[in-house]
Amino acid sequence: AQKVTQAQTEISVVEKEDVTLDCVYETRDTTYYLFWYKQPPSGELVFLIRRNSFDEQNEISGRYSWNFQKSTSSFNFTITASQVVDSAVYFCALSAFSMKTSYDKVIFGPGTSLSVIP
Amino acid sequence: DAGITQSPRHKVTETGTPVTLRCHQTENHRYMYWYRQDPGHGLRLIHYSYGVKDTDKGEVSDGYSVSRSKTEDFLLTLESATSSQTSVYFCATRTSGGARETQYFGPGTRLLVL
Repeated sequence: AQKVTQAQTEISVVEKEDVTLDCVYETRDTTYYLFWYKQPPSGELVFLIRRNSFDEQNEISGRYSWNFQKSTSSFNFTITASQVVDSAVYFCALSAFSMKTSYDKVIFGPGTSLSVIP
Repeated sequence: DAGITQSPRHKVTETGTPVTLRCHQTENHRYMYWYRQDPGHGLRLIHYSYGVKDTDKGEVSDGYSVSRSKTEDFLLTLESATSSQTSVYFCATRTSGGARETQYFGPGTRLLVL
């Protein structure tokens, strides 16, 4: 079975603090892809990053960084020096090959709501 | 940004009435999807399409039908709306069905069924 768990339902931090959002996934596939999406209060879903299962290099993009560890099936997301504009719901997603359908299924975690307090 | 628009963006309707939501994309993506988003459930797949006139069910397809007569348009119909279908509906597209491909989402449609 494939599953994505985001154990943190809600997180509140004070502006300028660092915050890490956890994502743990389950899959039996050896080839898979992981994604993070951001959903700000305005409601749209914004793609942030995609990583494949063969590339465990951590990635940094400005204040954002991602830590992918296959050994613990985790793909955590860190925001450094958080800002009020980072307040949003963040979704982790897993995409893996499906034998049952004609496409590769994308499974979303339940999301983590981040509030950055000024 | 995959040039995805959804219409209407907001709709209030009454139980028992049919409702059609439209998704339009300008990127010529082959795959299109309809999801619903509800508190505590995240995003759940309703139906998807892998080409013109080629559609299949997702995990929560009961009470919904879809049609795709053109590459750019994917319609979601609630045959007889119920209060349990009050939700935010998102359309998404993907260049192909492969796991490596990113899904891009439309702005969403808020549907309230009274």
